Amino acid sequence: ETGVTQTPRHLVMGMTNKKSLKCEQHLGHNAMYWYKQSAKKPLELMFVYSLEERVENNSVPSRFSPECPNSSHLFLHLHTLQPEDSALYLCASSQDLGVVSEKLFFGSGTQLSVL
Amino acid sequence: RKEVEQDPGPFNVPEGATVAFNCTYSNSASQSFFWYRQDCRKEPKLLMSVYSSGNEDGRFTAQLNRASQYISLLIRDSKLSDSATYLCVVNSRPGNTPLVFGKGTRLSVIA
Repeated sequence: ETGVTQTPRHLVMGMTNKKSLKCEQHLGHNAMYWYKQSAKKPLELMFVYSLEERVENNSVPSRFSPECPNSSHLFLHLHTLQPEDSALYLCASSQDLGVVSEKLFFGSGTQLSVL
Repeated sequence: RKEVEQDPGPFNVPEGATVAFNCTYSNSASQSFFWYRQDCRKEPKLLMSVYSSGNEDGRFTAQLNRASQYISLLIRDSKLSDSATYLCVVNSRPGNTPLVFGKGTRLSVIA
C-alpha cells in the first residue's frame, strides 16, 4: 500500500463514452501527476499539479481533461477517446515538485481499453 | 540523444547469478537518480536512490558515474522474485519539472 489510491482498476469504454479516473493520496504530498504507460514505451508524463495548480501539460490531446479540486485528489476526465489511448494510466504523488530528492509514489493504475 | 537510455534487455539469468544494468543520461546538470522496479501489470515502486558515493542495499548496489553520465544497478545472488522491469529515473531538468523515466530493462530469473 503506497498511500495513493486509484479507481477504477480496469475500465473498458467505447469511443463515444465519457468516464473519469480518480486518484487520492493520503500522504500529505503537494504534487500530483498523471502518467500514461503504453506497451514498450517509457512512462509518458501527461499532467503535473503542484499545490492544486497545473504546472505542466505535455501536449496532451484535449480529450483528456485533468482536475485537481484539492491537494489530495486528482481526476482525469476522458471523452471521445481513440483506440490508441488504450494504456495503463498511473497517478503519482511526491512531497513537492522540483526538489532534488523528489521521489514518486504511484497508485496501482487504471488499465484502460478503448473499443 | 534520448534523455534517459537503458540497456535494451531482456536479461534472462539463472538463480544465483549476478546481473548488472546500465543507464545513461544526457543532461550533465541532472542532480538525482533512482532505480524503480515494476512488476508485470503493477505500478512502479522505488527500489533505491543512487548517490554519488555509490550505495548498497542488501543484494543491490547502485553506482553513479558523473563523468560518463551513467548509473548502474548490480544485483547479486539473483532470486526468482527479482524478475521484473527495472526503470532508470533521472531528475533530468532540475527545477520545477518532474522526473524522467527510461524505458526499463526486463529481468527474468530462471530456476
